[in-house]
Amino acid sequence: GDSVTQMEGPVTLSEEAFLTINCTYTATGYPSLFWYVQYPGEGLQLLLKATKADDKGSNKGFEATYRKETTSFHLEKGSVQVSDSAVYFCALSEGGGNKLTFGTGTQLKVEL
Amino acid sequence: DGGITQSPKYLFRKEGQNVTLSCEQNLNHDAMYWYRQDPGQGLRLIYYSQIVNDFQKGDIAEGYSVSREKKESFPLTVTSAQKNPTAFYLCASSKTGPSSYNEQFFGPGTRLTVL
Repeated sequence: GDSVTQMEGPVTLSEEAFLTINCTYTATGYPSLFWYVQYPGEGLQLLLKATKADDKGSNKGFEATYRKETTSFHLEKGSVQVSDSAVYFCALSEGGGNKLTFGTGTQLKVEL
Repeated sequence: DGGITQSPKYLFRKEGQNVTLSCEQNLNHDAMYWYRQDPGQGLRLIYYSQIVNDFQKGDIAEGYSVSREKKESFPLTVTSAQKNPTAFYLCASSKTGPSSYNEQFFGPGTRLTVL
């Protein structure tokens, strides 16, 4: 079945550092890929998405490129802020439906 | 403002009691979902519904039940048969249609603790 693997956290960075959170997936077809963010005590918010190979999703300074050849969708940001501290989830959806398969989440802590 | 509400935010129950978690949306979405979140395990799908009066089991439906009598509401009952019910429960909703994906919107969650 489908699965998503994320790097384990927590990831601790200083403000203005470069961020990469790795995400790889296994799917039988051509999934859509997503990054969701969860701030403490809240639900999830969609951060960005990509629906086909080589698409780049971007939002709030975050970017991720759909790499079919490496089955990856790594999240990057050039300069993190303390307000970016949250848990980030990589997810996929396949088959034209709405069901999402999530990774285990990666906690990001940004310090001054 | 449109959105998804879940109540209560925190819920405590004694072991062996059934408990119902509320989820309401005013986004006019056809599809609704229930997820369970445990530390280090991400989100797992419990049940989902794509239309009123119809729902399907997700990956971990055992010990849970749902109903979908109204488009706006999708309550989840955690029964005494659920062996480890303490968790954070998230409700979501989305449009349905011919596009390859419709974004899921999440509620703020209910943290259930069984004592």
